[in-house]
Amino acid sequence: QVQLVESGGGVVQPGRSLRLSCAASGFIFSGHAMHWVRQAPGKGLEWVAFISYDGRDERYADSVKGRFTISRDNSKNALSLQMDSLRPEDTALYYCARDLSTRYTMDVWGQGTTVTVSS
Amino acid sequence: QSALTQPASVSGSPGQSITISCTGTSSDVGGYKYVSWFQQHPGKAPKLMIYEVSSRPSGVSYRFSGSKSGNTASLTISGLQAEDEGDYYCTSYASTSTWVFGGGTKLSV
Repeated sequence: QVQLVESGGGVVQPGRSLRLSCAASGFIFSGHAMHWVRQAPGKGLEWVAFISYDGRDERYADSVKGRFTISRDNSKNALSLQMDSLRPEDTALYYCARDLSTRYTMDVWGQGTTVTVSS
Repeated sequence: QSALTQPASVSGSPGQSITISCTGTSSDVGGYKYVSWFQQHPGKAPKLMIYEVSSRPSGVSYRFSGSKSGNTASLTISGLQAEDEGDYYCTSYASTSTWVFGGGTKLSV
């Protein structure tokens, strides 16, 4: 079945880095763009980043631009999010989500991985 | 990238209909047909309920419908059921080539 499994979350000090991963299965990963979306504790959803199916197009929310980098390895069906210069406000549950091709939305979501930025 | 505006909460009785609004600008909701709605139950991942303003993915109940007028999109749930209780989020593609979510609406049944 179609599945996305995130990993790599944890507790990190402000200013440090963390790399999240998302393993995709059950569909042709190289045929879909992908997103990262986060949800701070008790708060709403916030779109974080997008990468096209071939990795050539990357887009970021203003809140993470210049600090986060989205990437993918289609040979390994893997999506990543490199998070640098982390801030306490980056604390959240991070979801990877599949883009519903040409529909500009997300149709499949993982269960998320938790990132806590605290000293 | 300002968040879309949704009411914090709505409520309804079983069998009734409710509508959740999602207000943006001409740079997002008003400018594109790419408005989606997600349902989220506590501790669960969001689930796509509506895309492209009014289209339903396979498996989503016909009781869920979407519409848009100007800069405001709406999600209507008819024949409310207890299982509909949860949080609902709208999202729209924007002129900045990014996506913006609404603040979320808590539905109580």
